[in-house]
Amino acid sequence: DIVMTQSPDSLAVSLGERATINCNSSRSVLYDSNNKNYLAWYQQKPGQPPKLLIYWASTRESGVPDRFSGSGSGTDFTLTISSLQAEDVAVYFCQQCFSTPPTFGGGTKVEIK
Amino acid sequence: EVQLVESGGGLVKPGGSLRLSCAAPGFTFSSYTMNWVRQSPGKGLEWVSSISGSSKYIHFVDSVKGRFTISRDNAKNSLYLEMNSLRAEDTAVYYCARSDSSGSLFFDFWGQGTLVTVSS
Repeated sequence: DIVMTQSPDSLAVSLGERATINCNSSRSVLYDSNNKNYLAWYQQKPGQPPKLLIYWASTRESGVPDRFSGSGSGTDFTLTISSLQAEDVAVYFCQQCFSTPPTFGGGTKVEIK
Repeated sequence: EVQLVESGGGLVKPGGSLRLSCAAPGFTFSSYTMNWVRQSPGKGLEWVSSISGSSKYIHFVDSVKGRFTISRDNAKNSLYLEMNSLRAEDTAVYYCARSDSSGSLFFDFWGQGTLVTVSS
């Protein structure tokens, strides 16, 4: 199974500042035939299910604010919140679906400093 | 509007059985691969099983193979998870989740979840 490792476990950022979350996969999740990274990011607020933010490593899901962006390729990926808003307080997960079983990172908790 | 509504969770003794259901109105259910994903405090998010739109392709995580069965009824827009020989480590919130339209296992809609507690 592909192991997904996120860092940091938690971070506190001031309102309006940048938040950066890292995700590393134990094997490449880049599919050579279509040049797509099978990597997604989810946001989970307390008491709610996860919400898909980004897929193919950098494609924002419909309705997701453009302050959320994803980057990276192969084994190393980043989710960036360019200007943290109060409503962005949540736990963020990365997930690979390059191979079965799809696997998730352990999550990064984002809080307001 | 896409909706996924799980039901069937509850408290069950080790070795017991439970059947989860997911009602899925609001979209062309038969066109989508559907999944069960669980979340427990100790193990985070874990994909459990997927079933293709025609039920032709079915997959399970190793830890539930031989104990869980996934099925769907496209006429009823419903997804099911039959869980047998339940263990304490199966305790989790179980989410019904839809795969995105590309067919890859990104999960673009999730239900609110149903809690399964396995304890004596």
